[in-house]
Amino acid sequence: RKEVEQDPGPFNVPEGATVAFNCTYSNSASQSFFWYRQDCRKEPKLLMSVYSSGNEDGRFTAQLNRASQYISLLIRDSKLSDSATYLCVVNRRGNQFYFGTGTSLTVIP
Amino acid sequence: DAGVTQSPTHLIKTRGQQVTLRCSPKSGHDTVSWYQQALGQGPQFIFQYYEEEERQRGNFPDRFSGHQFPNYSSELNVNALLLGDSALYLCASSRAGPGGYTFGSGTRLTVV
Repeated sequence: RKEVEQDPGPFNVPEGATVAFNCTYSNSASQSFFWYRQDCRKEPKLLMSVYSSGNEDGRFTAQLNRASQYISLLIRDSKLSDSATYLCVVNRRGNQFYFGTGTSLTVIP
Repeated sequence: DAGVTQSPTHLIKTRGQQVTLRCSPKSGHDTVSWYQQALGQGPQFIFQYYEEEERQRGNFPDRFSGHQFPNYSSELNVNALLLGDSALYLCASSRAGPGGYTFGSGTRLTVV
């Protein structure tokens, strides 16, 4: 079983829509959780960390459910510039990070 | 404050050749991790260097080796290149403690 699993999409949504991505991780010893954004042919960039209490950064909200080993990302009022691949990332021990395959989002005018 | 820098940005090699990729970590970071990202896939962990030693290794063959220098910069070496080694190679730096990686812009390797 993969360390991190994501629905690859693609998700095609109109501008202004709300879209949610989900991710599950297999190892209950996972300690830290992140969402990264990757634009086409570019490197991944940290979007936000994910905490059990949930956290929000502008239009983005991340949630972690440790009991279900489930992470989510909600994007409200989608913008064209949100089009990218969103990578779910978990850190189990040391500094090794495990990446999902990414979820592709296209926001349509 | 310089981020993570990688060189070269693009590289074309012939099957069977050897290649060396280079990475300079972000200022203040002491740990360097290397990832391979094939088209349409998430990054796959190759190995991580800390204090000039390989601290962790992913599921990659011995053809993949690395090194970290006293200034924390790192090299990734791949011997006996295969067509399947064609990918984006990402270097990520970090420092001890919680927090995410900072990625370099990657080296796109094409093996022909």
